[in-house]
Amino acid sequence: DAKTTQPPSMDCAEGRAANLPCNHSTISGNEYVYWYRQIHSQGPQYIIHGLKNNETNEMASLIITEDRKSSTLILPHATLRDTAVYYCASSNFNKFYFGSGTKLNVKP
Amino acid sequence: DGGITQSPKYLFRKEGQNVTLSCEQNLNHDAMYWYRQDPGQGLRLIYYSQIVNDFQKGDIAEGYSVSREKKESFPLTVTSAQKNPTAFYLCASSNILGNSGANVLTFGAGSRLTVL
Repeated sequence: DAKTTQPPSMDCAEGRAANLPCNHSTISGNEYVYWYRQIHSQGPQYIIHGLKNNETNEMASLIITEDRKSSTLILPHATLRDTAVYYCASSNFNKFYFGSGTKLNVKP
Repeated sequence: DGGITQSPKYLFRKEGQNVTLSCEQNLNHDAMYWYRQDPGQGLRLIYYSQIVNDFQKGDIAEGYSVSREKKESFPLTVTSAQKNPTAFYLCASSNILGNSGANVLTFGAGSRLTVL
């Protein structure tokens, strides 16, 4: 089972790209990587997921290294509303393993 | 709108009392989950259920119990055996996406339990 680790906090200037790293060095070949974000005292919200290839949707991009031991969530143009805790998780079907989260502070 | 409803949002309990947290979903999802979140920490899995009348222990199941009598409902009971029950509790549900094995969780808004 994969264990995910994330830096506890990061700062980003408004309008700039936010790059949030996650290490999942013990991930197995069929485990997906997921990203969620949580605004204070609410339920986490799904952002994006991937297995091997890089992925992009309307919210963010996900870059997964070739060895799959780490990934980076990219918010291309961070806004003040992107201030939240971002969680990386790995999963094989029904069991998810969440990191402790990165608090992203977007500053004007 | 489809979603997950957790109740109550805030709950206070005296030591030694059992308390049940409600979780209802109208997403027609097969799997449901309970997570516990402590300040500054990630989500830890308490119990999960893949199908009605079946559930599995997660990483921190001691002091908790669940039931899954209906597809849409997955209540969590925090018993007096749970030594440190004050926490934020999150319910989630999911379906496997096609044949990919990917499994996106949809979370409720959470229930905050405080033991006095």
